[in-house]
Amino acid sequence: DGGITQSPKYLFRKEGQNVTLSCEQNLNHDAMYWYRQDPGQGLRLIYYSQIVNDFQKGDIAEGYSVSREKKESFPLTVTSAQKNPTAFYLCASSASGEKLFFGSGTQLSVL
Amino acid sequence: DQQVKQNSPSLSVQEGRISILNCDYTNSMFDYFLWYKKYPAEGPTFLISISSIKDKNEDGRFTVFLNKSAKHLSLHIVPSQPGDSAVYFCAAHNPNYGGATNKLIFGTGTLLAVQP
Repeated sequence: DGGITQSPKYLFRKEGQNVTLSCEQNLNHDAMYWYRQDPGQGLRLIYYSQIVNDFQKGDIAEGYSVSREKKESFPLTVTSAQKNPTAFYLCASSASGEKLFFGSGTQLSVL
Repeated sequence: DQQVKQNSPSLSVQEGRISILNCDYTNSMFDYFLWYKKYPAEGPTFLISISSIKDKNEDGRFTVFLNKSAKHLSLHIVPSQPGDSAVYFCAAHNPNYGGATNKLIFGTGTLLAVQP
């Protein structure tokens, strides 16, 4: 079955630690995205990538980094510079159209 | 500056009745609107969409209405079922966002509870 796989489901970060969230898709989509969801807020775009080896900052990129070395993979690193990392993180992909397909998300919490 | 607004954080409806979820937007350049459904601790799933050149789109129990002059869209669910209980996000597509082929702006969501 085609889809988007995010791992882990739950992740805990210590102070000063970098953590990486995994996102893999087998939909053969060119574009991939990372969103953050906070309680009572909509989904906010962190980073997006339209093709391999290229990515752009979204609306709230500070404290995050990404890479796109393979079409299937778009990992997100939450760095120690992100002072409020606790949130639900969603990875998505799309073909050339407007519709996004989402993974099941990763809940990141701070210890 | 919130360009897509869902002013009702929650809505409770009896099973079998109609659910109406509302969404307002501010940017007249948005060309495409979508509704997503989200269960707790899961990713959103696409529900229904509408192009800005239309005023209605129907898919089974779900109908989306678009009023461009009022910059308002609504999702109607008839009849409502307990399994419809979820958070519903409205999203608008901005064709003028940087170089991205796809820039969706999401509302804050409405939690729908369908009571048996």
